[in-house]
Amino acid sequence: DAKTTQPNSMESNEEEPVHLPCNHSTISGTDYIHWYRQLPSQGPEYVIHGLTSNVNNRMASLAIAEDRKSSTLILHRATLRDAAVYYCILRDPGTGNQFYFGTGTSLTVIP
Amino acid sequence: DSGVTQTPKHLITATGQRVTLRCSPRSGDLSVYWYQQSLDQGLQFLIQYYNGEERAKGNILERFSAQQFPDLHSELNLSSLELGDSALYFCASSVGRAVSGANVLTFGAGSRLTVL
Repeated sequence: DAKTTQPNSMESNEEEPVHLPCNHSTISGTDYIHWYRQLPSQGPEYVIHGLTSNVNNRMASLAIAEDRKSSTLILHRATLRDAAVYYCILRDPGTGNQFYFGTGTSLTVIP
Repeated sequence: DSGVTQTPKHLITATGQRVTLRCSPRSGDLSVYWYQQSLDQGLQFLIQYYNGEERAKGNILERFSAQQFPDLHSELNLSSLELGDSALYFCASSVGRAVSGANVLTFGAGSRLTVL
């Protein structure tokens, strides 16, 4: 399995930055790192993805370690609407290269 | 609204019964994926179809089957239902056939199945 390791839960104060870590020591050279999030009672939604370089979009930034064995999703100013489970995902060769979601990090945003 | 439509939103049925879940992908997407999310298992990949053909199979039970029709909508059939089949079933769609950097999944809101 293309496993990733994330903390089960994290807390952040509203309007402060949040750094969500992910370890993926078995990543292969061609695998992209994807992040999705799942808000309560909703389906997962795409956040960001990257290969080697740091990436930015309107939702978040993705910082990828030089050896690619870890990455960090950065929410620059957490809002209450960012409370969700965040999944760091790699492809899993065991299932025809489908996404392996794992259990993710449950982010609580404190007002 | 993600553009992926799943029906029904909620379904309650009894053990031994059969149900069909339906998914309409986002316009222009050719791949459909089915996932199961139960409390103790997280999101589990079940099966993928691309343009009508089965593309990849995950942890899908033999009691479950799926297909993708010429109009690209997909149905997931669950038969001989057991209590443990109670879960959220998500459909996702994407443009391409492979899960890769350029191929983003768009998920529907899910169908909640309760087996009593």
